[in-house]
Amino acid sequence: GAGVSQSPRYKVAKRGQDVALRCDPISGHVSLFWYQQALGQGPEFLTYFQNEAQLDKSGLPSDRFFAERPEGSVSTLKIQRTQQEDSAVYLCASSLTDAAYEQYFGPGTRLTVT
Amino acid sequence: AQRVTQPEKLLSVFKGAPVELKCNYSYSGSPELFWYVQYSRQRLQLLLRHISRESIKGFTADLNKGETSFHLKKPFAQEEDSAMYYCAPTGGGNKLTFGTGTQLKVEL
Repeated sequence: GAGVSQSPRYKVAKRGQDVALRCDPISGHVSLFWYQQALGQGPEFLTYFQNEAQLDKSGLPSDRFFAERPEGSVSTLKIQRTQQEDSAVYLCASSLTDAAYEQYFGPGTRLTVT
Repeated sequence: AQRVTQPEKLLSVFKGAPVELKCNYSYSGSPELFWYVQYSRQRLQLLLRHISRESIKGFTADLNKGETSFHLKKPFAQEEDSAMYYCAPTGGGNKLTFGTGTQLKVEL
């Protein structure tokens, strides 16, 4: 079956532009996670949804970052007024249950802010 | 603060040699612990979790609560084991906290 998909795979934005990153989780998966992975680092948690409810957004680095999952399926991570430090790979993962026991990861979106 | 330490950025071993990828964690409570792996040009995927106590692709990991360690081991490395390995506990909810990763390179 289809895994987690993300689009676009690559995004180049000029500093100050807004970007929107999309995640299509595995159908029927309750939980959805966003992570940010800077070069040479492990993924860092950004936010977590259980169905349409955003239960944890403690990892969002600033109020320029916003995520939504309005119908409990597709999710969008939006970054406003992008800065160079936002350059990273953004990973989406989904999980069948509301526990983190196995997360299935997408291929990531590589964001480069110039 | 919750912390995960993988002290080696790169580990190079010869094929057939034993492998040990180190992971130490600092967590309050009783975290669940996982190892995730990323093979070249593939996405991040679960390798194993401590609660299932299973061996996957010949790898095992023992949770040592006294030393707060969760080292990943394999007795005989294979070329296809070359990959990036991340130790990842959960705690305080469902989110994973990843270490910085260890790149394992198995040489012939």
